[in-house]
Amino acid sequence: AQSVTQLGSHVSVSEGALVLLRCNYSSSVPPYLFWYVQYPNQGLQLLLKYTTGATLVKGINGFEAEFKKSETSFHLTKPSAHMSDAAEYFCAVSNFGNEKLTFGTGTRLTIIP
Amino acid sequence: ETGVTQTPRHLVMGMTNKKSLKCEQHLGHNAMYWYKQSAKKPLELMFVYNFKEQTENNSVPSRFSPECPNSSHLFLHLHTLQPEDSALYLCASSQVAEGPIWLHFGNGTRLTVT
Repeated sequence: AQSVTQLGSHVSVSEGALVLLRCNYSSSVPPYLFWYVQYPNQGLQLLLKYTTGATLVKGINGFEAEFKKSETSFHLTKPSAHMSDAAEYFCAVSNFGNEKLTFGTGTRLTIIP
Repeated sequence: ETGVTQTPRHLVMGMTNKKSLKCEQHLGHNAMYWYKQSAKKPLELMFVYNFKEQTENNSVPSRFSPECPNSSHLFLHLHTLQPEDSALYLCASSQVAEGPIWLHFGNGTRLTVT
């Protein structure tokens, strides 16, 4: 069984400040980890993914995430927030041979001008 | 043209109506999915079709009936829905093979049941 916990359903940061969205996972086998973003009235768009190899992965729009096995975490960061980053962010987990992704409950990011 | 297209974008229906949601993927993928997204709830996986065969039915009520005529098209037939079925219905596709898979989503159909 696998699961994802996203700490903080709402996060607010000032424009230009660091963005940190937290994700912890549970998986009995090596995980594949994903971050998706959802803008209003749209579907989910893949931001970045970790499958194997380098534990620091870079995605679109300046976001990156680091896989930390010892902490079972995959937190999403961006050094400087932009107004256009306001959206809902979902962390997800799957594993080898599994055609399904398990999603977290999402974190709504608000950017303060 | 987006990779996964859903129609209609918005749908309002009464509890006695019958309607269908349509999804088409232009990515050459072999698996398609229906998810339900309700306010303040996690994304709920409803159905998975892998090579046109249904491989997952996540205890979805029978008033939701999926159909996958080929690997590019997916339908969700709706009848006698309840107000609590109002939600955003998201279609997704993926290429299932050895190794990791990830989903490509459409923009969803916003369903309101009155």
